[in-house]
Amino acid sequence: AQSVTQPDIHITVSEGASLELRCNYSYGATPYLFWYVQSPGQGLQLLLKYFSGDTLVQGIKGFEAEFKRSQSSFNLRKPSVHWSDAAEYFCASSSGNTPLVFGKGTRLSVIA
Amino acid sequence: NAGVTQTPKFQVLKTGQSMTLQCAQDMNHEYMSWYRQDPGMGLRLIHYSVGAGITDQGEVPNGYNVSRSTTEDFPLRLLSAAPSQTSVYFCASRLDRGRDRYTFGSGTRLTVV
Repeated sequence: AQSVTQPDIHITVSEGASLELRCNYSYGATPYLFWYVQSPGQGLQLLLKYFSGDTLVQGIKGFEAEFKRSQSSFNLRKPSVHWSDAAEYFCASSSGNTPLVFGKGTRLSVIA
Repeated sequence: NAGVTQTPKFQVLKTGQSMTLQCAQDMNHEYMSWYRQDPGMGLRLIHYSVGAGITDQGEVPNGYNVSRSTTEDFPLRLLSAAPSQTSVYFCASRLDRGRDRYTFGSGTRLTVV
């Protein structure tokens, strides 16, 4: 069965520091991969998605993610974190005909 | 173009009561799904539908029923509410099973007392 693992439950970074959130997927073929962000009490906002092609994907708010088939990973990165990036981040995957499966999320705290 | 509309936004139920969470989309999307979100658990799939008249179970279907009589609507029914069903529920839709982004509703926060 398809699954998504986010190894880090909670990460704290300083404002201006770089960020990497980890995501590993389990699926035989190349999945479709997504990163979503959720601020407290809000809905889900799509940051970026990967379907095929260039393995480095650019998203909104200065985020990017890199698909690495050999590591079954799709890590999210940002070179310089802003206080407004504090939120919960979800990695998700699907194939062409399977439902979207989410990881358990990583909560990001940003300190001054 | 309203996207995915969920009603109500908030609901408090007593144990044993039944209710229906409504989800409607106006984008002619074939694919619709229901998730519940609990702290530390991410979003877990309850039921999904690949088109009118077709539904299937997800990871946590017990205690919930769905139907898909039209393309637009995908209601989620709680038959006999339990405190374990206290959660935030999200409905999502997608154009088809191919390469398309999901559109999420704004969620329904349900408390069962």
